[in-house]
Amino acid sequence: RKEVEQDPGPFNVPEGATVAFNCTYSNSASQSFFWYRQDCRKEPKLLMSVYSSGNEDGRFTAQLNRASQYISLLIRDSKLSDSATYLCVVNRYKAGGSYIPTFGRGTSLIVHP
Amino acid sequence: GAVVSQHPSWVICKSGTSVKIECRSLDFQATTMFWYRQFPKQSLMLMATSNEGSKATYEQGVEKDKFLINHASLTLSTLTVTSAHPEDSSFYICSARLPGTGGSQQFFGPGTRLTVL
Repeated sequence: RKEVEQDPGPFNVPEGATVAFNCTYSNSASQSFFWYRQDCRKEPKLLMSVYSSGNEDGRFTAQLNRASQYISLLIRDSKLSDSATYLCVVNRYKAGGSYIPTFGRGTSLIVHP
Repeated sequence: GAVVSQHPSWVICKSGTSVKIECRSLDFQATTMFWYRQFPKQSLMLMATSNEGSKATYEQGVEKDKFLINHASLTLSTLTVTSAHPEDSSFYICSARLPGTGGSQQFFGPGTRLTVL
């Protein structure tokens, strides 16, 4: 089983739709969680951190379920500009004081008019 | 946000040559930088963790003699792909860990697209 798993999609949705992605992780020692956005042939950019209590940033809501070991990203009122690949990143603590990041494969989102 | 630069942004080279890629944190000091490789439609694969002033830590399956990492200062890490072959063609991305975030947040360089003929 991969350490971080995501449905690659693509998710094809109309403008204004609400779409949700999940990401599961296998290492229960994972400490911190992030969603990144990656546009085609570009570097990933941080979208938001994911906190245990859940957090919201405008149209984006992230949630963490430690018991079931998954995180989710909800996008409301999708815009054309939301079309991208969304990467789930899980950091696990490593002895010595460092974090080792593991990326999911990414979920592709296509928002159409 | 924090800025990380990479140079060159793309490179085409002949098989057997060595290619050096630079990663710089422009507005903060990074004791730790990460090097990733991404093949088309694949996830970013962590190759190694670059630590300033000490040896890099390589992930399983990554040849340390082929992918030489030097982190000589708090703002610069370099990755040298030695004796590159066509199968080394990929998108190489570095990231720098942002201090003061508990070490968990990282910012990415724009990537280097390597094509080995």
